[in-house]
Amino acid sequence: GDSVTQTEGQVALSEEDFLTIHCNYSASGYPTLFWYVQYPGEGPQLLFRASRDKEKGSSRGFEATYDKGTTSFHLRKASVQESDSAVYYCALSGHTEGADRLTFGKGTQLIIQP
Amino acid sequence: GALVYQYPRRTICKSGTSMRMECQAVGFQATSVAWYRQSPQKTFELIALSTVNSAIKYEQNFTQEKFPISHPNLSFSSMTVLNAYLEDRGLYLCGARGDSYAEQFFGPGTRLTVL
Repeated sequence: GDSVTQTEGQVALSEEDFLTIHCNYSASGYPTLFWYVQYPGEGPQLLFRASRDKEKGSSRGFEATYDKGTTSFHLRKASVQESDSAVYYCALSGHTEGADRLTFGKGTQLIIQP
Repeated sequence: GALVYQYPRRTICKSGTSMRMECQAVGFQATSVAWYRQSPQKTFELIALSTVNSAIKYEQNFTQEKFPISHPNLSFSSMTVLNAYLEDRGLYLCGARGDSYAEQFFGPGTRLTVL
């Protein structure tokens, strides 16, 4: 079945550091790839998505590029802020199912120290 | 904007009893509702997907007999956890999508504790 593997556990950075959270997927065809962010006490919120090879998604300074060759969708941000502290989830939905059935990675907790 | 509410936010039940949780979509018509569970140390597992005018589809390891779902209209869905045990602990999320949107909107979840 479909699966998503992302940087596990916590990533601790200081403000203005460069962020990379790795995400690799396994799925047939062309899945749609998503990055979600979850703040304490809230449900996941969509950051952005990408549906085609080489398509770049971006929002709030975060970006990721769909790479079918390496089956990756790594999340990057050039300069993180304390307010970026949250849990980030990479997810996919199969190309035949639209956005209704999501497969999530295990989540990466980002901690930004002032 | 599109919002999803879930009730209750937290609940505690005794082992072997049942509890019902609700999901309400506001600002859009929820033509599909997906229920997920996040267990301790695990990511979100899809329990079932309910789409208007289609039968509710349960994922492997989840059954209607254990997690009956109702989706009576385009703004409301409920799910019951029957005969809850320790392994049913976790955060239950509702993800709703409308035809005008390409994404699911999630509620804050219902956290279930089983004693």
